[in-house]
Amino acid sequence: GAVVSQHPSRVICKSGTSVKIECRSLDFQATTMFWYRQFPKQSLMLMATSNEGSKATYEQGVEKDKFLINHASLTLSTLTVTSAHPEDSSFYICSARLAGVNEQYFGPGTRLTVT
Amino acid sequence: AQKVTQAQTEISVVEKEDVTLDCVYETRDTTYYLFWYKQPPSGELVFLIRRNSFDEQNEISGRYSWNFQKSTSSFNFTITASQVVDSAVYFCALSEFLTGTASKLTFGTGTRLQVTL
Repeated sequence: GAVVSQHPSRVICKSGTSVKIECRSLDFQATTMFWYRQFPKQSLMLMATSNEGSKATYEQGVEKDKFLINHASLTLSTLTVTSAHPEDSSFYICSARLAGVNEQYFGPGTRLTVT
Repeated sequence: AQKVTQAQTEISVVEKEDVTLDCVYETRDTTYYLFWYKQPPSGELVFLIRRNSFDEQNEISGRYSWNFQKSTSSFNFTITASQVVDSAVYFCALSEFLTGTASKLTFGTGTRLQVTL
């Protein structure tokens, strides 16, 4: 089946630093990748939709200058949380969509803790 | 706008009991997809089922069954003879029915299921 990986699985960083999270589709090409954020005991909220080779589309209320998304290839998308603050601490989950198939395959998530 | 409501925040059952998780959705689209995902404590989302809006047949997969009622905009999920390993948060989700393009998933708030011995 389609496998999506995320790296790192956990990261702790200091306030003010930037953190990069990678999302890879391991056995398929993903024309579209999605980034979600999940606060403790809450639902997944879509942050942005990323299409290979073009700019990401951000959901309302998500700061594009703070959450930089790059989808440079059909198998890799990155999310960089810039100048992280404690309120950015969350579980970040990516998903990848196989071209022509309306189904998303989810990565295992990255738990970010900003101290 | 699309909306998914899971009114049950937490459910606790004893092993071997049957349990139904409710899901009600709102959409202006005439065609759409509905999903259920399981999120165990590890955090990874596990895909359970996808159902398109023009297929109202109920589905059974082992101990899992799904009841899709378009007339009441509901897509309920039943676990028969629950087991401790079923303990997780279950999310219902909705997406547009678009071919060839990406469509966003709208998630419900989730139902936390606790199965005890």
